[in-house]
Amino acid sequence: QLQLQESGPGLVKPSETLSLTCIVSGGSISSRSYYWGWIRQSPGMGLEWIGSVHYSGTTYFSPSLKSRVTISIDTSKNQFSLNLRSVTAADTGVYFCARRGAEPWFDPWGQGTLVTVSS
Amino acid sequence: QSVLTQPPSVSAAPGQRVTISCSGSSSNIGNYYVSWYQQFPGTAPKLLIYDNNKRPSGTPQRFSGSKSGTSATLDITGLQTGDEADYYCGTWDSSLNAGVFGGGTKLTVL
Repeated sequence: QLQLQESGPGLVKPSETLSLTCIVSGGSISSRSYYWGWIRQSPGMGLEWIGSVHYSGTTYFSPSLKSRVTISIDTSKNQFSLNLRSVTAADTGVYFCARRGAEPWFDPWGQGTLVTVSS
Repeated sequence: QSVLTQPPSVSAAPGQRVTISCSGSSSNIGNYYVSWYQQFPGTAPKLLIYDNNKRPSGTPQRFSGSKSGTSATLDITGLQTGDEADYYCGTWDSSLNAGVFGGGTKLTVL
């Protein structure tokens, strides 16, 4: 059974870089059929798509975050990572990783990790 | 403001039927499959419907999805108190070249 688990610091200072890793277990991240994505949810708000990466290295990003986001994949470790630069308080929220199907559905999801941007 | 528009809240009594709408445009719902997610407080969203109307194993038949033009609908019949949750629609948008979600709908079972 495929499982995803986010890891990374729960507190990041303003202007610094938010870095998270999603460890995939129970399946290979090198599948041609899937992308691997990041989604976030600000407190009390809805879901926001951040971006996706394919094992080939192909990436897609939200236009509103594109200038600050990097998503990379490490097939040797079966994990993928998110870097969000120059964070502000508006970047505070729960960050989820998920597998993305060829059609744009997400399943399964990681449990999510809360990241707070504060000095 | 979300690219896909959902009603902020819907409510109905146990046993009744409720419909949640998701409105978009030709650059998203009009040309791509729609998925639906159920999220309970403090937990991760769970895929409920994919490819407009397909149910993953584990999704009860009480939940069904449909799409017409640039709108999609999630139907829930035989409402149960355990269905109280937030529901989100999602798809791809070719103008943004990005994934998009609706703003979410809070379902209350009275």
